[in-house]
Amino acid sequence: KAGVTQTPRYLIKTRGQQVTLSCSPISGHRSVSWYQQTPGQGLQFLFEYFSETQRNKGNFPGRFSGRQFSNSRSEMNVSTLELGDSALYLCASTLSGGETQYFGPGTRLLVL
Amino acid sequence: GEDVEQSLFLSVREGDSSVINCTYTDSSSTYLYWYKQEPGAGLQLLTYIFSNMDMKQDQRLTVLLNKKDKHLSLRIADTQTGDSAIYFCAVPDVPYGGATNKLIFGTGTLLAVQP
Repeated sequence: KAGVTQTPRYLIKTRGQQVTLSCSPISGHRSVSWYQQTPGQGLQFLFEYFSETQRNKGNFPGRFSGRQFSNSRSEMNVSTLELGDSALYLCASTLSGGETQYFGPGTRLLVL
Repeated sequence: GEDVEQSLFLSVREGDSSVINCTYTDSSSTYLYWYKQEPGAGLQLLTYIFSNMDMKQDQRLTVLLNKKDKHLSLRIADTQTGDSAIYFCAVPDVPYGGATNKLIFGTGTLLAVQP
């Protein structure tokens, strides 16, 4: 069974631009969560989607948004990029809720 | 909310046992997890323990859970150079009466294995 896939793997943007990251969960998994990993703040929860609905949200500004499609694939968007948005963005999938989460390889975003 | 703490660094010699410790604040979690991250990679699920268990063994890995002290540990037997990585303890941030996949991660422990 294929694992969680994330595209693109690497991305370079400049301040003020916007970016969209994509995540395809493991087949049959209906929940997708997103995390940001930085050296300073560690791993922080961004948001979680289940059946196309946002179920939980972390403490990030409104510039960070996401959505989930009917096939469970998810995208996250960051608008008006700031230097501090440079991070590894990780996506995780699980069947529904409370089960083990499996992570993708991440998208490494560099904002110049 | 949930808070998870780990020591930052552990250095061991190849063949020795490694013990990575984690403390957490919320005892309502059903499962507690250990993830491994190698340089430049995502998170790999290593093992997990159900909250009503005290110990779980999985080949070279042993997880111990002390619910009273809210302390979780991961023991790696016969540590190899390939075990060098960052190890994260993760605890679900469970809302009252709800389901969530929100995990609170510790800072991660960098395990350095000396040949």
